[in-house]
Amino acid sequence: KQEVTQIPAALSVPEGENLVLNCSFTDSAIYNLQWFRQDPGKGLTSLLLIQSSQREQTSGRLNASLDKSSGRSTLYIAASQPGDSATYLCAAKAAGNKLTFGGGTRVLVKP
Amino acid sequence: DAGITQSPRHKVTETGTPVTLRCHQTENHRYMYWYRQDPGHGLRLIHYSYGVKDTDKGEVSDGYSVSRSKTEDFLLTLESATSSQTSVYFCATENRTVAEPQHFGDGTRLSIL
Repeated sequence: KQEVTQIPAALSVPEGENLVLNCSFTDSAIYNLQWFRQDPGKGLTSLLLIQSSQREQTSGRLNASLDKSSGRSTLYIAASQPGDSATYLCAAKAAGNKLTFGGGTRVLVKP
Repeated sequence: DAGITQSPRHKVTETGTPVTLRCHQTENHRYMYWYRQDPGHGLRLIHYSYGVKDTDKGEVSDGYSVSRSKTEDFLLTLESATSSQTSVYFCATENRTVAEPQHFGDGTRLSIL
């Protein structure tokens, strides 16, 4: 059974610092790895999707890497801003085309 | 986003009563999902649908049923609500290619007293 872990559960950084968020998964036979953002009281917003054949994906200040052999993905957010404060979740799509979610990392960017 | 509307957004009810949550999408996505989100457990799949009248169980399906009579609507029913079903429920849709993410509604906060 796929298990997805995100450590740490919470992170606080000063504005302007780069953010590094970690995601690990136990079964490397994934179709893709997805990163989402969740604001309080809201649903999940897709940030990046990395297919199993890709090593990384970029969108603006966001860059996500995928290393299937080690079961890890990392989300980098460059030059963090207070508006980046949110919970970030990763999810692995594997057998049965179902997503398994990590517990999320709650990020606070202090002005 | 993918035009997903969940209703109601908030509901408080009593143990033993039936509850139905609705998910409506305007994107004509074939796949629809119901998740619950709880502290310490993250998001867990309850049921999903891969077409009209085609549904299957997820990880935590006990106590829940679903129905999909139209492409755009996916209903989640708690036949006899229990306090353990107090949670935030999210609906998601997907166009089912490996290159496309799931799209989420804003959730329904359900409290069972």
